Amino acid sequence: DAGVTQSPTHLIKTRGQQVTLRCSPISGHKSVSWYQQVLGQGPQFIFQYYEKEERGRGNFPDRFSARQFPNYSSELNVNALLLGDSALYLCASSLGATGTYEQYFGPGTRLTVT
Amino acid sequence: GIQVEQSPPDLILQEGANSTLRCNFSDSVNNLQWFHQNPWGQLINLFYIPSGTKQNGRLSATTVATERYSLLYISSSQTTDSGVYFCAVEPYNTDKLIFGTGTRLQVFP
Repeated sequence: DAGVTQSPTHLIKTRGQQVTLRCSPISGHKSVSWYQQVLGQGPQFIFQYYEKEERGRGNFPDRFSARQFPNYSSELNVNALLLGDSALYLCASSLGATGTYEQYFGPGTRLTVT
Repeated sequence: GIQVEQSPPDLILQEGANSTLRCNFSDSVNNLQWFHQNPWGQLINLFYIPSGTKQNGRLSATTVATERYSLLYISSSQTTDSGVYFCAVEPYNTDKLIFGTGTRLQVFP
């Protein structure tokens, strides 16, 4: 079975631009979470969606938004990009929304803002 | 919020050596996972272990939830074990994983 997939793999954007990252969960998984990992640090939670509803939001500005589609795939949007948004963006999927389910991560999208 | 500390921050081993990585967390949690992040950034699931002991080949893990720590044991290390090891916890009544500070492991032949 395919794991979590993310696209694109790499992306270079200019300050002020907007970006959309995509994630497809493991088949049968209904929960998708997004994390940001800057160089040298652990991943930081951005959003969690379950059954198309936002279930949790981390400490990120309103420039960050996300949504989940009926097929459980998800998009993360970042507006008005800043240099500090350069990071590896990771998507994770799990069967359910609570902590009783293991989370599985995709390969990530590496975003560079110049 | 909950704090997750890992030790040691860096570990250098020769092939064949054994090691123990530790994860301390400051509050009760609903879930604990160990991950290995390879040089390409992929987080690989090692263990889902909110409590108890599990083994998978050369790796094993133990979580003592009442004392708020978890240990990851790597035996007979190989160069392919190199990378960063993270523990991550999910506090009660949240839907997010909080990652620890990580342990960077380098295994030399």
